[in-house]
Amino acid sequence: NAGVTQTPKFQVLKTGQSMTLQCAQDMNHEYMSWYRQDPGMGLRLIHYSVGAGITDQGEVPNGYNVSRSTTEDFPLRLLSAAPSQTSVYFCASSYSITGAATYEQYFGPGTRLTVT
Amino acid sequence: AQKVTQAQTEISVVEKEDVTLDCVYETRDTTYYLFWYKQPPSGELVFLIRRNSFDEQNEISGRYSWNFQKSTSSFNFTITASQVVDSAVYFCALSEWGNTGKLIFGQGTTLQVKP
Repeated sequence: NAGVTQTPKFQVLKTGQSMTLQCAQDMNHEYMSWYRQDPGMGLRLIHYSVGAGITDQGEVPNGYNVSRSTTEDFPLRLLSAAPSQTSVYFCASSYSITGAATYEQYFGPGTRLTVT
Repeated sequence: AQKVTQAQTEISVVEKEDVTLDCVYETRDTTYYLFWYKQPPSGELVFLIRRNSFDEQNEISGRYSWNFQKSTSSFNFTITASQVVDSAVYFCALSEWGNTGKLIFGQGTTLQVKP
């Protein structure tokens, strides 16, 4: 199993450009999430999905879009990049016996994004 | 609203010292889960432990131990006889029961273990 994969590893964008961060998992996990990590702020949830076709907002959703058309993939779209979106982005996945418990998330290696 | 506070921003110890990383959480839920993750200098996030709100037993795994006290809303992490390889950022996180997609993280504690 490759686990959770993210591409690209590094990206530099100019203000106003758009791009998609890719995330895929091969563990047949229901749950997938996107976080951003900024110095001194830990990881903050951007969007998450509880299954194909179902997404919800996290703590910092503005400026980002997601969709989940398959169980495996959960891309994060930046519509018009801003310097405030310079960060390290982590994708994560997990499983759950519905409503019965909460299990650990498996994280991808991260994407370091710089917006100039 | 849920919140996790790791008041220690950075801790520096000498190898073989014991060190405790503090985690205090806030939630109105009566059932929830708590987690610890490690982020070594290479940047990946490594899962260490999860604990549900019904289980207040302390847990020990090798040199690592966790103390969960519901009365003080704390879930502290102790490393015994620290080693240089323990140098990392450690995150405490909180989740609703049954919603695995949504973790609330603390700010993280950077642990430096000097030889």
